[in-house]
Amino acid sequence: GQQLNQSPQSMFIQEGEDVSMNCTSSSIFNTWLWYKQDPGEGPVLLIALYKAGELTSNGRLTAQFGITRKDSFLNISASIPSDVGIYFCAGPDSNYQLIWGAGTKLIIKP
Amino acid sequence: DAGVTQSPTHLIKTRGQQVTLRCSPKSGHDTVSWYQQALGQGPQFIFQYYEEEERQRGNFPDRFSGHQYPNYSSELNVNALLLGDSALYLCASSFGPAPFNQPQHFGDGTRLSIL
Repeated sequence: GQQLNQSPQSMFIQEGEDVSMNCTSSSIFNTWLWYKQDPGEGPVLLIALYKAGELTSNGRLTAQFGITRKDSFLNISASIPSDVGIYFCAGPDSNYQLIWGAGTKLIIKP
Repeated sequence: DAGVTQSPTHLIKTRGQQVTLRCSPKSGHDTVSWYQQALGQGPQFIFQYYEEEERQRGNFPDRFSGHQYPNYSSELNVNALLLGDSALYLCASSFGPAPFNQPQHFGDGTRLSIL
């Protein structure tokens, strides 16, 4: 079946640094979604992308829908402590069921 | 505007028992999807309910069943619990079924532990 591969698996960053993470698939997706999950909570939608090449921002977050439709990128500028958490990419498969990557865990260096 | 609410927040059961988890969708949403999230992994789709019927199902055994009520709230039932059923169970709601059901909004989940 379709799979989403996220990298990196985890990131240690210092406050103020920019962050980049990506999500790739061997098959085409028509929608890319980026969610953030904090401990003990459900995923919260950050950005939704519906069109190849689309670049969308939400505050300090920017995500892009790759032109091949097989990848997506999420960037966070000037990271702050509340950015800590797990970031998931997700997309509907050919049956319109939402499938998810394994997540990128963001950790702030003390 | 209430978001997706799930109950209970935590539950401990033993192997072989049965469990029922509950979900109220976000106001204005009519479709409910259930996911299982094992520790350290992304959520996995269990099934989706729309108009009180199961519309889609992921790769889960028949021990997992559900129900949707006329007010759009939903239940997830799991019979004959196994140790491997220990996970966070997430409910998500949306307006309209697949393929029109993106994006989905999630509740905070029920943490189910099987002893």
